[in-house]
Amino acid sequence: SQQGEEDPQALSIQEGENATMNCSYKTSINNLQWYRQNSGRGLVHLILIRSNEREKHSGRLRVTLDTSKKSSSLLITASRAADTASYFCATDSSGANSKLTFGKGITLSVRP
Amino acid sequence: DAGITQSPRHKVTETGTPVTLRCHQTENHRYMYWYRQDPGHGLRLIHYSYGVKDTDKGEVSDGYSVSRSKTEDFLLTLESATSSQTSVYFCAISSLGETQYFGPGTRLLVL
Repeated sequence: SQQGEEDPQALSIQEGENATMNCSYKTSINNLQWYRQNSGRGLVHLILIRSNEREKHSGRLRVTLDTSKKSSSLLITASRAADTASYFCATDSSGANSKLTFGKGITLSVRP
Repeated sequence: DAGITQSPRHKVTETGTPVTLRCHQTENHRYMYWYRQDPGHGLRLIHYSYGVKDTDKGEVSDGYSVSRSKTEDFLLTLESATSSQTSVYFCAISSLGETQYFGPGTRLLVL
């Protein structure tokens, strides 16, 4: 079963606008990660936030984590057409041998 | 991109035939993973390895086996392919078991 579930399933915005994507999960985690996938390609890691962190930034990306609500959000500021892709959250809830559980993904379309 | 390749990149096979997919890395990472990606399901973990000859099952391991005889190679075998195994297969690697780096994927069609 999926651990992380993203919301919305699809998002369409105008270039220059901000995009906010949400992820909810069910069990306690060690960390939560966001990945991007361009059409026909492999996933690319964007950012990792640990369970003891509340917010992290990387360039135009801002991720927050609320462990009390078991949720995370990914904000992409000043979006560009090149940000058009699918975005996945993944949670690490494992013990000694780390493995991730991925959500089903959010399709982001940025209109020029 | 991390030094990770998958072969073949595309394969068409018939039901009942064995199929082996190869993942090769040049990063000397400890962890290697096999996922399948299907519409409506996202990525699901098939098997993973945490060292040479150390493997474990993932969420959807039935019908699949793996082997890792050396650090750089992780093989996924479908012993007798079925149409339900038509999918896109991704290999991933990780050094510390946190951030994962993905290969380009293998598109498998089982007729």
